Amino acid sequence: SQQGEEDPQALSIQEGENATMNCSYKTSINNLQWYRQNSGRGLVHLILIRSNEREKHSGRLRVTLDTSKKSSSLLITASRAADTASYFCATDGGFQKLVFGTGTRLLVSP
Amino acid sequence: DTAVSQTPKYLVTQMGNDKSIKCEQNLGHDTMYWYKQDSKKFLKIMFSYNNKELIINETVPNRFSPKSPDKAHLNLHINSLELGDSAVYFCASSQDRYAETQYFGPGTRLLVL
Repeated sequence: SQQGEEDPQALSIQEGENATMNCSYKTSINNLQWYRQNSGRGLVHLILIRSNEREKHSGRLRVTLDTSKKSSSLLITASRAADTASYFCATDGGFQKLVFGTGTRLLVSP
Repeated sequence: DTAVSQTPKYLVTQMGNDKSIKCEQNLGHDTMYWYKQDSKKFLKIMFSYNNKELIINETVPNRFSPKSPDKAHLNLHINSLELGDSAVYFCASSQDRYAETQYFGPGTRLLVL
């Protein structure tokens, strides 16, 4: 299976702290994306990093990609209660398919 | 002005019934998708249509039949519903079949009793 795996499965932090979640995948990729899913809602695209990039920033988000280790990390700095959600990595599975990881459930307490 | 919308939001039905879920996008995108998210939050693609043409058909029971009357709509019909079909079904769209980013609908929560 191409499915990626994320860890931790669940993460609980206080507002203001940083949250780091990791994604590992199995096959070579052209790009990797991170999506957020709020409870009971659809997924929202956060950021995309290409295979020739090592790091990318977007606001309080920082994504790294290590293609030699087939892994990526998402760092959310100065977290807020509104960041509480599940976070999924997704890789391009060929034929325009997105292959999603298992997700990290983030809980940010006020 | 919802970008990708799905109806119904919730669907509770008995085993053996046939049901349909509808999806519409007003983004002007060419490509639409159906995903299934199980109780463990595992999200897997089922189908994809590009401009009304089926381009992705994963290993899905043939009780599931997608239909795209036009490029803004992608419906999913499920025959003879089974307990294992209980899940959240998400519709998504992308600008075209090569676009990297997908835009998701809010999901349809299907519970088969």
